[in-house]
Amino acid sequence: DAGVTQSPTHLIKTRGQQVTLRCSPKSGHDTVSWYQQALGQGPQFIFQYYEEEERQRGNFPDRFSGHQYPNYSSELNVNALLLGDSALYLCASSWVGQGQPKRYFGPGTRLTVT
Amino acid sequence: QQQVKQSPQSLIVQKGGIPIINCAYENTAFDYFPWYQQFPGKGPALLIAIRPDVSEKKEGRFTISFNKSAKQFSLHIMDSQPGDSATYFCAAGSGNTGKLIFGQGTTLQVKP
Repeated sequence: DAGVTQSPTHLIKTRGQQVTLRCSPKSGHDTVSWYQQALGQGPQFIFQYYEEEERQRGNFPDRFSGHQYPNYSSELNVNALLLGDSALYLCASSWVGQGQPKRYFGPGTRLTVT
Repeated sequence: QQQVKQSPQSLIVQKGGIPIINCAYENTAFDYFPWYQQFPGKGPALLIAIRPDVSEKKEGRFTISFNKSAKQFSLHIMDSQPGDSATYFCAAGSGNTGKLIFGQGTTLQVKP
């Protein structure tokens, strides 16, 4: 049973560019959440997708957007990259029908903005 | 009110010792409290989680103690091993949503 997968593993972008990160949830999971983890910090919630809609959003600007596909996979898009966007981006999946769902994280995408 | 405060920031114990990591929260709407273990370059891995109607939960060598009135919870690692050396995060969530609020993390080193 494959866990949460993310691609790419590492990415280097220039300030002002746009980036797309991808996530495939754990088998049987229908909800995907994205988190940003700066070096030495705990993950911070960006947003959550369920039934192809953004259901909840953290304190991140509109430069951060996402999408969920019918197969539950998801994308995180970041426009107009800033140096401060350099971080590990984590995807977490869960199953909404599980009551208090356990969130399983992927290995993350390390984004470096130069 | 959305913060989760975690302490200590770092911890060093000898093999076989029992490291204890503490977290405190303020939002009484939180009803799900997981602990995650993270190794360098990896994503957080779910260790154990508790709900506020239970005061203690054990899974293997990991135990969560929960004090609802004090709004505090802690992780105990029994018979710690060098392989337990990692960063540990507590978190809190409410309802059936994906949003978790994480603590700042505790870097644990277990010496052989």
